[in-house]
Amino acid sequence: GNSVTQMEGPVTLSEEAFLTINCTYTATGYPSLFWYVQYPGEGLQLLLKATKADDKGSNKGFEATYRKETTSFHLEKGSVQVSDSAVYFCALSVVGGTSYGKLTFGQGTILTVHP
Amino acid sequence: SQTIHQWPATLVQPVGSPLSLECTVEGTSNPNLYWYRQAAGRGLQLLFYSVGIGQISSEVPQNLSASRPQDRQFILSSKKLLLSDSGFYLCAWSIGTSGYTDTQYFGPGTRLTVL
Repeated sequence: GNSVTQMEGPVTLSEEAFLTINCTYTATGYPSLFWYVQYPGEGLQLLLKATKADDKGSNKGFEATYRKETTSFHLEKGSVQVSDSAVYFCALSVVGGTSYGKLTFGQGTILTVHP
Repeated sequence: SQTIHQWPATLVQPVGSPLSLECTVEGTSNPNLYWYRQAAGRGLQLLFYSVGIGQISSEVPQNLSASRPQDRQFILSSKKLLLSDSGFYLCAWSIGTSGYTDTQYFGPGTRLTVL
């Protein structure tokens, strides 16, 4: 089956620090990979995605590269801000068949950024 | 552009009472629709998905049911709520193209507390 494993949190950083949140996956077929962000009390927002090996997704200073050889999709940001404090979810979806775009999520990583 | 609405935003219900949560999508036709539950503010569990009117697939056995009476309307229901039904319920949609994996877009969520 499909699964996503994220690094355990919570992660606490100072403003302007470098961020890495690790994500690895197992999947049958050819997955698309996603990072979603959830701000307190809100729904999930798509942060970035990559649909094939070696693709790099990027948005709002965040980046993640689809690494097929290591089955990873680590999230990075060079300089975090207080406003980046949120829960980050890694997810995958497998193309085709009866998948109907169903997402498999990691457990989420809480990020807190202090001024 | 597409938007997704959920209501109510928050709900407090006694054990044994009925439940009806509604989700509607605007700006697209024949979307795939999904209901998720997020317990303890972290992981997401897919409850139901639908690829068309009247077509509902359940991912896990539970006290809940779903219906899709119209193309862009998805309803989550229960006849008798349990304490364990408390959580944050998220509706999502994706483009309904058969066999193609696309991004899911989430609504703002409904916070349900069962007392």
